[in-house]
Amino acid sequence: GAGVSQTPSNKVTEKGKYVELRCDPISGHTALYWYRQSLGQGPEFLIYFQGTGAADDSGLPNDRFFAVRPEGSVSTLKIQRTERGDSAVYLCASRPGHNTGELFFGEGSRLTVL
Amino acid sequence: KQEVTQIPAALSVPEGENLVLNCSFTDSAIYNLQWFRQDPGKGLTSLLLIQSSQREQTSGRLNASLDKSSGRSTLYIAASQPGDSATYLCAVVQGAQKLVFGQGTRLTINP
Repeated sequence: GAGVSQTPSNKVTEKGKYVELRCDPISGHTALYWYRQSLGQGPEFLIYFQGTGAADDSGLPNDRFFAVRPEGSVSTLKIQRTERGDSAVYLCASRPGHNTGELFFGEGSRLTVL
Repeated sequence: KQEVTQIPAALSVPEGENLVLNCSFTDSAIYNLQWFRQDPGKGLTSLLLIQSSQREQTSGRLNASLDKSSGRSTLYIAASQPGDSATYLCAVVQGAQKLVFGQGTRLTINP
């Protein structure tokens, strides 16, 4: 695609529910990142994929958070038993390869946990 | 642990002025540094990427410099316009391949 696409753009859920956020990177980009941004803060790293594998998941806050990229393209961030503190904008980004080139971001998925 | 700081947190200037945004980082072992722009409720748009071997990059009215040894970068915006109003973020990439972001500078250009 022309850019990084994220769906849904907005998600409102209740505490304790399960949520999936989807990221469709730029075609051909092998590196994919998930970030989380709280109001007034810079984005915080969650996880980085190179191809299908998670090369670095050190930013995932706890085991309620999980992400997959089974075919090396689309990625899904999964959050179990959501908590109010999970409310944030979840940003996805991609770039052509390992440490090459600019990082391109999607518009984000705004998650609100009531 | 790498820490990135941006000063000032907010800046308001009249249209037409030249201005400088500052970014500092604690660990100079970086691959590159990238400046982004973020409009309210939107994702990040890449402005400039400076490789660790470079000293500066220019794009139109924007010029970014990098001094790795002192852990500093600046973003210079010439002849500012109201459309430049946004939050500007800098981020550094290290060996772990992840970007570490500053908190951003919220810029307002007054007509």
